[in-house]
Amino acid sequence: EAGVAQSPRYKIIEKRQSVAFWCNPISGHATLYWYQQILGQGPKLLIQFQNNGVVDDSQLPKDRFSAERLKGVDSTLKIQPAKLEDSAVYLCASSLGRAATYNSPLHFGNGTRLTVT
Amino acid sequence: AQSVSQHNHHVILSEAASLELGCNYSYGGTVNLFWYVQYPGQHLQLLLKYFSGDPLVKGIKGFEAEFIKSKFSFNLRKPSVQWSDTAEYFCAVRRNTGFQKLVFGTGTRLLVSP
Repeated sequence: EAGVAQSPRYKIIEKRQSVAFWCNPISGHATLYWYQQILGQGPKLLIQFQNNGVVDDSQLPKDRFSAERLKGVDSTLKIQPAKLEDSAVYLCASSLGRAATYNSPLHFGNGTRLTVT
Repeated sequence: AQSVSQHNHHVILSEAASLELGCNYSYGGTVNLFWYVQYPGQHLQLLLKYFSGDPLVKGIKGFEAEFIKSKFSFNLRKPSVQWSDTAEYFCAVRRNTGFQKLVFGTGTRLLVSP
């Protein structure tokens, strides 16, 4: 099966600019996740969608970050305006069911490495 | 708040050495436990998982992990590492009640020298 697709792989922007990341989950996967992985840290969940509804966005900095999953398939994550501390790898993952149940593990994409200068 | 601790940030081993990576979590309820691996240039992959039953779990590539409930630990082991095991390893914990968010540790970077 095709994996989780993310683009772009790399992005360099200046602070206060905006940026968007795209994710195409595995076909048929109802749940989609965006994680932020800062260098030296583990992935941190930013937002979780179940189909096109938001299940959890408690750690999403909503003053600058936004995400949508139109039609319950592809998703975009946007940062506007970016700050230096947003430099990180942004990982998209998907699972068949919700939240890593036994028969529904998370599948991760390769991530987008964002550098904010 | 639930947290996951991986105390070894960097580990360097020679081939054929034994490996044990520590993972401790703070949540007291029922949990599901995972180890993920990220090889250089690749995406995170599931190595093994524990949901219930035998606390000794076997995963891919000869890895195993033991869940010790009394110690809130889920340490990863491999009796003899190979150069191809060079990667970053992440422990992750998911509460089995309420909102079941997957929480990751900070990761352990393993370098195996040939």
